[in-house]
Amino acid sequence: QKEVEQNSGPLSVPEGAIASLNCTYSDRGSQSFFWYRQYSGKSPELIMFIYSNGDKEDGRFTAQLNKASQYVSLLIRDSQPSDSATYLCAARGYNDYKLSFGAGTTVTVRA
Amino acid sequence: EPEVTQTPSHQVTQMGQEVILRCVPISNHLYFYWYRQILGQKVEFLVSFYNNEISEKSEIFDDQFSVERPDGSNFTLKIRSTKLEDSAMYFCASVGGVGNEQFFGPGTRLTVL
Repeated sequence: QKEVEQNSGPLSVPEGAIASLNCTYSDRGSQSFFWYRQYSGKSPELIMFIYSNGDKEDGRFTAQLNKASQYVSLLIRDSQPSDSATYLCAARGYNDYKLSFGAGTTVTVRA
Repeated sequence: EPEVTQTPSHQVTQMGQEVILRCVPISNHLYFYWYRQILGQKVEFLVSFYNNEISEKSEIFDDQFSVERPDGSNFTLKIRSTKLEDSAMYFCASVGGVGNEQFFGPGTRLTVL
């Protein structure tokens, strides 16, 4: 069973600031990691994925992976009010596509 | 852009009744999943489906649950005798893309009274 833990939040940041979200996972066999955004009452929406150690940037989002520490993070630069949502971290193994989700971190961006 | 669709968006049923939740995955995807999310809780894996059969199921997916792909496009989740604790959002997902990402449908909110 892959356990994925996220800092519970809520996280409140002013508009334009950087939001930093953290995630740890228990299963060293986890290979790929996904960040989803979920608005209240809606389905998870993929932001980005990462499977190699280091940083991966996509627009205002940067994912970081450290497999030795079993740690994944997401940075949101220049946060906007529309970024206010719950951010879900998910892990996936090598031989299957099943996702194990963390409980999510709720982010509020203050205008 | 192709997307996963689900119907109905909201289903209200009485305890003990059968419900069928429907999903149309993205057309060239081969792996399909059902997840559920009880209000305020994490998204939980229910079952995966590949090549017209279940490839993995969770402890939640007991004998009351079944999945089918009856016509090559629709993918259904049936709950035979609903319980109050089945009230949740049910998400269908299909796998594809560069990183074999999971694309989620909009979900069906199931309310069991």
